[in-house]
Amino acid sequence: GDSVTQTEGLVTLTEGLPVMLNCTYQTIYSNPFLFWYVHYLNESPRLLLKSSTDNKRTEHQGFHATLHKSSSSFHLQKSSAQLSDSALYYCALSDRGNNAGAKLTFGGGTRLTVRP
Amino acid sequence: DPKIIQKPKYLVAVTGSEKILICEQYLGHNAMYWYRQSAKKPLEFMFSYSYQKLMDNQTASSRFQPQSSKKNHLDLQITALKPDDSATYFCASSQDLGYEQYFGPGTRLTVL
Repeated sequence: GDSVTQTEGLVTLTEGLPVMLNCTYQTIYSNPFLFWYVHYLNESPRLLLKSSTDNKRTEHQGFHATLHKSSSSFHLQKSSAQLSDSALYYCALSDRGNNAGAKLTFGGGTRLTVRP
Repeated sequence: DPKIIQKPKYLVAVTGSEKILICEQYLGHNAMYWYRQSAKKPLEFMFSYSYQKLMDNQTASSRFQPQSSKKNHLDLQITALKPDDSATYFCASSQDLGYEQYFGPGTRLTVL
């Protein structure tokens, strides 16, 4: 079945440094859709980014990610971390083309803590 | 106006009792889901529904039973509650299966 791997469970950064959260996936489907969700404490998870076509960068709220099918990756990046970026980040994979039962498969999450 | 409503926001129950968590979405979506997040653990997928039909069930226990009385409703009945059931339960919906999901505010359940 599909799987999503987020290698870092915890990432701690100093404000102003670049952010990179890793996400790799496995699927038999040739045209996957990838998403990043952000989950702030005491709030509900919300969509941060969704993938576009292969090798095309997508951006939102200062974050960006590029789907690379060649390496099965969709890493989340930001040039300069802010204190308000501290949250739990989930990478998710959709096999939308599989009409028999498309679903989102979530990674284990990466907790990002940004320090002053 | 909130687009996904979950009721109640907080719920305290005693071991062995039964509770129903309510979820309604006003996004016009065709697919709905339930997730659970226990303390210090990632989101855990439980169920997915499409057009009021169960599509996927990743919950091992039959004590958890989703109920869909209307297309935009997906309630979660939990019977014989245990302390390990304590968690925040999130309802979500999407246009169709596999599309980006939108989450409700969650119900925080505590079982004593």
